Amino acid sequence: EPEVTQTPSHQVTQMGQEVILRCVPISNHLYFYWYRQILGQKVEFLVSFYNNEISEKSEIFDDQFSVERPDGSNFTLKIRSTKLEDSAMYFCASSHRGGYTFGSGTRLTVV
Amino acid sequence: DQQVKQNSPSLSVQEGRISILNCDYTNSMFDYFLWYKKYPAEGPTFLISISSIKDKNEDGRFTVFLNKSAKHLSLHIVPSQPGDSAVYFCAAYTSGSARQLTFGSGTQLTVLP
Repeated sequence: EPEVTQTPSHQVTQMGQEVILRCVPISNHLYFYWYRQILGQKVEFLVSFYNNEISEKSEIFDDQFSVERPDGSNFTLKIRSTKLEDSAMYFCASSHRGGYTFGSGTRLTVV
Repeated sequence: DQQVKQNSPSLSVQEGRISILNCDYTNSMFDYFLWYKKYPAEGPTFLISISSIKDKNEDGRFTVFLNKSAKHLSLHIVPSQPGDSAVYFCAAYTSGSARQLTFGSGTQLTVLP
């Protein structure tokens, strides 16, 4: 069964450093997303990407965040200057015709 | 603004019995609903979905019921198995948008052997 693949599975970074989280969505999917889940809280929408541009973003997705689809397969989330409160599980997802598949997540720990 | 609510944080059920997980929503623009199962430190795993034009969808042991007038949906698992123990999230989106999901807060299901 097709999968959404995320790397790395766990990233530890110092406060103020830049991180890039990587995702390979399912190849025939057209919509791509990033979500996050802070420990003990809900899964929250960050951003959606369609037709090579951001289609929606939440209040969480401020100027520190950016997304990119640098080639035909990868979809990345960059956090420019990480803060302690960015520590969370970050999930990539892709969807097409109602099917909506999540990756296994990257646990980001900011110290 | 909790547009999707799961009011029961936990549920325990005996193996072989039915598990019923409930979800309420407030946004009448939602027209597609999904249930996910999630283990700690893993991504949500899709279980079953339903569009607002239907009131029931069944897939094996999983059935989702949608009551649009009450803005309520439920997931029935029968028979429940110990391997079903996980956190269950309901989620919803509006198909005319970028289809971003709004999640409930989850219900921890424990199936006792």
